[in-house]
Amino acid sequence: KAGVTQTPRYLIKTRGQQVTLSCSPISGHRSVSWYQQTPGQGLQFLFEYFSETQRNKGNFPGRFSGRQFSNSRSEMNVSTLELGDSALYLCASSLFGTDTNTEAFFGQGTRLTVV
Amino acid sequence: AQSVTQLGSHVSVSEGALVLLRCNYSSSVPPYLFWYVQYPNQGLQLLLKYTTGATLVKGINGFEAEFKKSETSFHLTKPSAHMSDAAEYFCAVSYSGSARQLTFGSGTQLTVLP
Repeated sequence: KAGVTQTPRYLIKTRGQQVTLSCSPISGHRSVSWYQQTPGQGLQFLFEYFSETQRNKGNFPGRFSGRQFSNSRSEMNVSTLELGDSALYLCASSLFGTDTNTEAFFGQGTRLTVV
Repeated sequence: AQSVTQLGSHVSVSEGALVLLRCNYSSSVPPYLFWYVQYPNQGLQLLLKYTTGATLVKGINGFEAEFKKSETSFHLTKPSAHMSDAAEYFCAVSYSGSARQLTFGSGTQLTVLP
């Protein structure tokens, strides 16, 4: 079956602009998590969505937001872009539940460059 | 707060040699532990995970890891390195009982020398 699809793969934006990234989870997966990966801070959890509701949020400013649609596709938005927002943004999908065997499947990421 | 420490940001081994990548977690409560691999310009692929049960976990591509509660460690090993193993490896921990919210280590770049 198809994996996690993130679009676009690469993006260049100017400081002050806003950007929207998209993630389509594996068919049947209902949970989507977002991570930011930078050389300086490494991989950091942004937020998780399930049933169109944000379930958990990492320690990021309010400029970072997201949403999930009824078909489980998710978008994340970053407003008023700063140079430090340049990063690889990874999306992971998983089945929701308390099953400890739940595995997160990652997409290839969107490389955002802010100039 | 939960944290994960990976000792050695860069590790080099010769092809055919033992691979040992170190990971320690901080917690008094046993967490759920994962190892992921990332190839250049790619996402993360799960190598193996420890949730409960057997402390020696076998994963894909010949990798395995042992959960040692007394040492709060979850080191990744492979008996014989292959050139295709060259990648970045991340140890991650979750206390939520699933892989949906992970705290990652800083990563270890593995180089395999011919």
